[in-house]
Amino acid sequence: DTEVTQTPKHLVMGMTNKKSLKCEQHMGHRAMYWYKQKAKKPPELMFVYSYEKLSINESVPSRFSPECPNSSLLNLHLHALQPEDSALYLCASSQGGLAGAQQRIAKNIQYFGAGTRLSVL
Amino acid sequence: GEDVEQSLFLSVREGDSSVINCTYTDSSSTYLYWYKQEPGAGLQLLTYIFSNMDMKQDQRLTVLLNKKDKHLSLRIADTQTGDSAIYFCAAEQRGYQKVTFGTGTKLQVIP
Repeated sequence: DTEVTQTPKHLVMGMTNKKSLKCEQHMGHRAMYWYKQKAKKPPELMFVYSYEKLSINESVPSRFSPECPNSSLLNLHLHALQPEDSALYLCASSQGGLAGAQQRIAKNIQYFGAGTRLSVL
Repeated sequence: GEDVEQSLFLSVREGDSSVINCTYTDSSSTYLYWYKQEPGAGLQLLTYIFSNMDMKQDQRLTVLLNKKDKHLSLRIADTQTGDSAIYFCAAEQRGYQKVTFGTGTKLQVIP
């Protein structure tokens, strides 16, 4: 089972709303990721959690607030978003840990959810 | 940082082979991945190759890696209409817990 579940599938929100995106995996993975993807562009990394601690923040504006309550769950809290934040938000998970040069097991193979299509009005 | 480039568009006839190309800049990249994205969906991992390999075959998919030229390709044999999608290559740099995605290649399969 390589399933990563994201909810909701679609979300429409106003600029003054507060909403949350959720992501869940039951593969025992210890790294989880949030990406933002605009149309016809590759995914852009936002945050990485490793062993439930924030390990990478790609200079994301504070109106996006990640949370990792436990190793299976990842949330993205949204507040005071702008219309340009409208995009597909993707969650991914991987086994975790750094792969050495000789290691055959790709611990950072990322498995993606189907995404949340967010529209900010 | 790593830079990963792909051609934007490829059109093939059903039943032909497709070859999607990718170049990357960081020679320390350890793993290279191919993902498929259908409209409105997430990314589906197709295959990956470790940097000390030069070829990997998985059913209709063949990955070739030229580490000297930092060139990666994905060959899809007997391409079907269901293969129509955007294909992303991605490179993982040694010591980093993230991958850099290419610009994506839109594959159009003509019946």
